[in-house]
Amino acid sequence: DAGVIQSPRHEVTEMGQEVTLRCKPISGHDYLFWYRQTMMRGLELLIYFNNNVPIDDSGMPEDRFSAKMPNASFSTLKIQPSEPRDSAVYFCASSFRTGTYNEQFFGPGTRLTVL
Amino acid sequence: AQSVTQLDSQVPVFEEAPVELRCNYSSSVSVYLFWYVQYPNQGLQLLLKYLSGSTLVKGINGFEAEFNKSQTSFHLRKPSVHISDTAEYFCAVSETYGGSQGNLIFGKGTKLSVKP
Repeated sequence: DAGVIQSPRHEVTEMGQEVTLRCKPISGHDYLFWYRQTMMRGLELLIYFNNNVPIDDSGMPEDRFSAKMPNASFSTLKIQPSEPRDSAVYFCASSFRTGTYNEQFFGPGTRLTVL
Repeated sequence: AQSVTQLDSQVPVFEEAPVELRCNYSSSVSVYLFWYVQYPNQGLQLLLKYLSGSTLVKGINGFEAEFNKSQTSFHLRKPSVHISDTAEYFCAVSETYGGSQGNLIFGKGTKLSVKP
């Protein structure tokens, strides 16, 4: 398997623009997670899905952020409008529950810079 | 609510020296514990995990960690580090049951810098 795939790997945009980050989870995994990593706040869980349904979006910072998972093989994280403080590395991870434990597999991340 | 504290943000060490990266957690329920490694410009990779059983767990690349329930710690150790171990290391916890089961709460990370 190719692992979790994220695109783009780098994104530079100007304040106010819409940004869409994409993720393809590992085939067969039923959980998908979006994280944000910054120097100040470390790794934060933004939202996670189970069987394409959003389960917990309490980590989404504000209404400018939205995430969708239209099918088992694709998810997007959208920021509209973007602001400089959204600059961070965004990770997608997927997992398959075995018993009571999920091992999460992370993608390489998307480095977002908002000017 | 759970939380994870990694006591050292940076740890410089010379090659072939031993290293210990410290991790303490707090939780009102029982937890699973993990260490992830992040090499520059890459995603996180699982290094090792504690689910149950023996409190000493061994992972990849010669790392090991010991779960200490009374001290709520899960310190990571390696007896002899290599230059290639230079990376950022994250400790994480996950509840063993409940609605948020499976979610990982991460510490702020420890940057290990191995010098020749």
